[in-house]
Amino acid sequence: EIVLTQSPATLSLSPGERATLSCRASQSVDTYLAWYQQKPGQAPRLLIYDASNRATGLPARFSGSGSGTDFTLSISSLEPEDFALYYCQQRRDWPITFGQGTRLEIK
Amino acid sequence: VQLLESGGGSVQPGGSLRLSCAASGFTLRNFLMTWVRQPPGQGLEWVSALSASDNTAYYADSVRGRFTIARDNSQNTVSLQMNSLRADDTAVYYCAKSTYSDKSVYDLWGQGTLVTVSS
Repeated sequence: EIVLTQSPATLSLSPGERATLSCRASQSVDTYLAWYQQKPGQAPRLLIYDASNRATGLPARFSGSGSGTDFTLSISSLEPEDFALYYCQQRRDWPITFGQGTRLEIK
Repeated sequence: VQLLESGGGSVQPGGSLRLSCAASGFTLRNFLMTWVRQPPGQGLEWVSALSASDNTAYYADSVRGRFTIARDNSQNTVSLQMNSLRADDTAVYYCAKSTYSDKSVYDLWGQGTLVTVSS
């Protein structure tokens, strides 16, 4: 099974700052990596798929990059609604796996 | 366009539950459908998927042999039959739809249904 390790576990930033979240895979997933956002009491929401493609309607401040084993989700200027949990997910191999999540909190 | 799960509840260890996910606004059989669970206060865990192209079912090791995923095209639903339930199956269970065909990228999620396994 492909293990995804996200870092940091918690990221404390202020609105307007830039956020950089990392996801590392235990083996290459090519570009078959997605990012999801989850807020308390809500289902996850797709942000980025295939490493760098924004989901429909996603603001341009969100961007994804990477390939192989190292991936990054960047949020260029944090809005109050961006403070949430973020998960990466690979679809390169079965079983599908998720990272353990990064909590983005207000500093 | 939405997904609506039902069937969650409380059950004793060793018991069974059947979750259902009803789709509206799209034809479910055209997409890979997936169940993902989230134990209280924890992260997301992929559970099972059913392909659109050839009806192949996929399972996490933790549930293989105990859970069965199925689709009812006449009702536009997907179900998850859960047998021999254990305490570590306690979670919110989400059904999710793939973006297209058999691509495991999930662009639509249900609201989730809570399963609690406890004596």
